[in-house]
Amino acid sequence: GAGVSQSPSNKVTEKGKDVELRCDPISGHTALYWYRQSLGQGLEFLIYFQGNSAPDKSGLPSDRFSAERTGGSVSTLTIQRTQQEDSAVYLCASSLHRRNTEAFFGQGTRLTVV
Amino acid sequence: GQQVMQIPQYQHVQEGEDFTTYCNSSTTLSNIQWYKQRPGGHPVFLIQLVKSGEVKKQKRLTFQFGEAKKNSSLHITATQTTDVGTYFCAGPPGNDYKLSFGAGTTVTVRA
Repeated sequence: GAGVSQSPSNKVTEKGKDVELRCDPISGHTALYWYRQSLGQGLEFLIYFQGNSAPDKSGLPSDRFSAERTGGSVSTLTIQRTQQEDSAVYLCASSLHRRNTEAFFGQGTRLTVV
Repeated sequence: GQQVMQIPQYQHVQEGEDFTTYCNSSTTLSNIQWYKQRPGGHPVFLIQLVKSGEVKKQKRLTFQFGEAKKNSSLHITATQTTDVGTYFCAGPPGNDYKLSFGAGTTVTVRA
């Protein structure tokens, strides 16, 4: 595709349920990031994938959060046993090389836990 | 770990006035990038600076990378309502590749 695609665009789930958020990066981009943005706040780093290297999971807020990237392309962020404080916009971004290139963001998934 | 800080957090500007927002990193950066996020939108890349002391202009926006490659600034002249949004700086430290974002400066404009 022409840009980073995220699905779903909106997700409402009940507290305690698991959710999966999907990110399709730009073809050929080796770096992929997940960020979380609460209303009116900045970008909270969650996880970073770079090629075949082990992902940097240092931003995941708890063990309820996990992410994988299959075949160096599509990534899925999974939140287990969702809590109300998980409500936020989850943004995915990809970039072409390791450094010195811009990150392209998807439109985000707005997650609401009720 | 690396920290990227931006000040001010909020900038309320009268239309037509100038302002500057600042970005400071705790570590030397290989480059600095600036992004703009309009209300309800996602961050969009504005520019990248790579060289020490580099200055780049985009119309009314002037971007500067510090000599030590640890700080940057964005100066907007003659602010317009189209400048409303949150401006983020981001950069990978010299010894890593991960892009770390500042908390952003949210700009509102009084007409």
